[in-house]
Amino acid sequence: NAGVTQTPKFQVLKTGQSMTLQCAQDMNHEYMSWYRQDPGMGLRLIHYSVGAGITDQGEVPNGYNVSRSTTEDFPLRLLSAAPSQTSVYFCASSYSGLAGGRYEQYFGPGTRLTVT
Amino acid sequence: AQSVTQLGSHVSVSEGALVLLRCNYSSSVPPYLFWYVQYPNQGLQLLLKYTSAATLVKGINGFEAEFKKSETSFHLTKPSAHMRDAAEYFCAVSRNSGGYQKVTFGTGTKLQVIP
Repeated sequence: NAGVTQTPKFQVLKTGQSMTLQCAQDMNHEYMSWYRQDPGMGLRLIHYSVGAGITDQGEVPNGYNVSRSTTEDFPLRLLSAAPSQTSVYFCASSYSGLAGGRYEQYFGPGTRLTVT
Repeated sequence: AQSVTQLGSHVSVSEGALVLLRCNYSSSVPPYLFWYVQYPNQGLQLLLKYTSAATLVKGINGFEAEFKKSETSFHLTKPSAHMRDAAEYFCAVSRNSGGYQKVTFGTGTKLQVIP
């Protein structure tokens, strides 16, 4: 299994541009999430999904859109990039199985985004 | 509401010394608690988790943590630090929100291991 994959690894955008960060998982997990990581602030939840077709907002959703048309994919769209969105973005997946491993998150390698 | 406080954004220890990374939580219901590790330029990976079974939890790479309800703490320890333990460590707490486990992360503690 590849686990959770993210593309691209690095991206530089100009203010106002839009782009999509890709995330895919091959573990058949129901839950997927997007976080941003900023120095001294830990990880903050942007959006999450509890299954295909179902998404909800997290702690810092403004300026981002998500959709989940399949179990495997959960893209994050930046509508009009701003310097405040310069960050490292992590996608994660998890599942609700009754056995061990429940609730732990599996993280992708991250996308480092710079907005100038 | 739930939150996690990690005391010390940077901790330095000598190789072979005890590692102690502190985490205190607040939660209105019995929590699930986690420690994750992040090596440079990588994603987070699970070190260990507490899900209301044994209060002393053993994880990977020789780390363990003890859940102390009276102190609302979940400190991470390792008896003897290795150079490879140099990384950033995150404590996290989760709660059920409409079937989804919402996770709140602490701000992280960077561990430096001095040869």
